Amino acid sequence: QVQLQESGPGLVKPSQTLSLTCTVSGGSISSGNYYWSWIRQPAGKGLEWIGRIYTSGSTSYNPSLKSRITISVDTSKNQFSLKLNSVTAADTAVYYCASHSWSGYYFDYWGQGTLVTVSS
Amino acid sequence: QSALTQPPSVSGSPGQSVTISCTGTSSDVGSYNRVSWYQQPPGTAPKLMIYDVSNRPSGVPDRFSGSKSGNTASLTISGLQAEDEADYYCSSYTSSSTYVFGTGTKVIVL
Repeated sequence: QVQLQESGPGLVKPSQTLSLTCTVSGGSISSGNYYWSWIRQPAGKGLEWIGRIYTSGSTSYNPSLKSRITISVDTSKNQFSLKLNSVTAADTAVYYCASHSWSGYYFDYWGQGTLVTVSS
Repeated sequence: QSALTQPPSVSGSPGQSVTISCTGTSSDVGSYNRVSWYQQPPGTAPKLMIYDVSNRPSGVPDRFSGSKSGNTASLTISGLQAEDEADYYCSSYTSSSTYVFGTGTKVIVL
């Protein structure tokens, strides 16, 4: 059973870069069996898919965020990461990491989520 | 890409049935049978309830069912129980190889 855990700063200043890491346990991130995604949710609002990465490094991003996002994978640490630059208050949200199998199109494993606040 | 459209809330008494709609376009919901549904009680991470339009993961009660017609998918909860009160979100894979979520629906058990 795959388990995911987000980590990173809970407070980021406007215009700076938000950096989060998702640690994967219960499975190897390099197995090729899963895609690894980031999803966020502003307080009281809906879910927004940010982007995903495959073990090979192949990525797909939300077009509305694409210019500010980088998702990468570190197989040696069994982690994948999100960098979102030039943040504003609108980027304040709970950020989830999630995964889906290479053959599926649904998110069956989720982290517990981490709140990131953008404020000076 | 625009969020899929869901009603803000639906309500029903225990034992009744409620249906949540999820309307997209021919580029997402209408293109593939790759619609999933998630349940999210307050303060928790979403939980997969339905995948590929109408399939239930192991452990999800058969009171939950899904369907799709054209650009609209639906989630039906039959025999509504108090524990079903939560926010529900649909999601679809898109023709651009991305994902889009619905606007979310709060299920209220009266």
